[in-house]
Amino acid sequence: AQSVSQHNHHVILSEAASLELGCNYSYGGTVNLFWYVQYPGQHLQLLLKYFSGDPLVKGIKGFEAEFIKSKFSFNLRKPSVQWSDTAEYFCAVNAFSTSGTYKYIFGTGTRLKVLA
Amino acid sequence: EPEVTQTPSHQVTQMGQEVILRCVPISNHLYFYWYRQILGQKVEFLVSFYNNEISEKSEIFDDQFSVERPDGSNFTLKIRSTKLEDSAMYFCASSEVRQETQYFGPGTRLLVL
Repeated sequence: AQSVSQHNHHVILSEAASLELGCNYSYGGTVNLFWYVQYPGQHLQLLLKYFSGDPLVKGIKGFEAEFIKSKFSFNLRKPSVQWSDTAEYFCAVNAFSTSGTYKYIFGTGTRLKVLA
Repeated sequence: EPEVTQTPSHQVTQMGQEVILRCVPISNHLYFYWYRQILGQKVEFLVSFYNNEISEKSEIFDDQFSVERPDGSNFTLKIRSTKLEDSAMYFCASSEVRQETQYFGPGTRLLVL
């Protein structure tokens, strides 16, 4: 079955620390990969996406992610976090289903708290 | 920048009552989705909708649920007889083409008492 795993459920960092959030997916076909962020009280916003090409993808707010096909991974990174990065981060796979549609499969989310 | 909007932002209802959650997708988008997030759990796919019909639905989307695009702008999710376990945040999303990025609305927090 298709699934997305985010291994870190809660992460606490100090400002200026580096961040890496893990995401692994289980799906045999072609996938489109996404990271979304949900700031407190706000809706899901797209951070970055990977469809094809350069496996190192740069997104908004200094985030980047690397697609490693052999590891079925799409980890999110930021070299230096800020207090304003406190949010919940969701990895998602847009998987093609046998019915001919695409649907997002989300990971469980990682709640990041950055201490000022 | 165009956004997906949802109303109401919060809805409290009694068990067994019908609720309708409303969404206005981005105007040139053709694919519409509903997801839900039970508190503390992951975001789960409910249903996708294209060309005025359901494209795919999950096992969560049983006979109590229905979706409709009553006019050219709104996309609604109806729960016929709410249960306690329907309490969740419901997100609407839309995309221009089916495999492209989905844009999410702010969600409707539904509480069933």
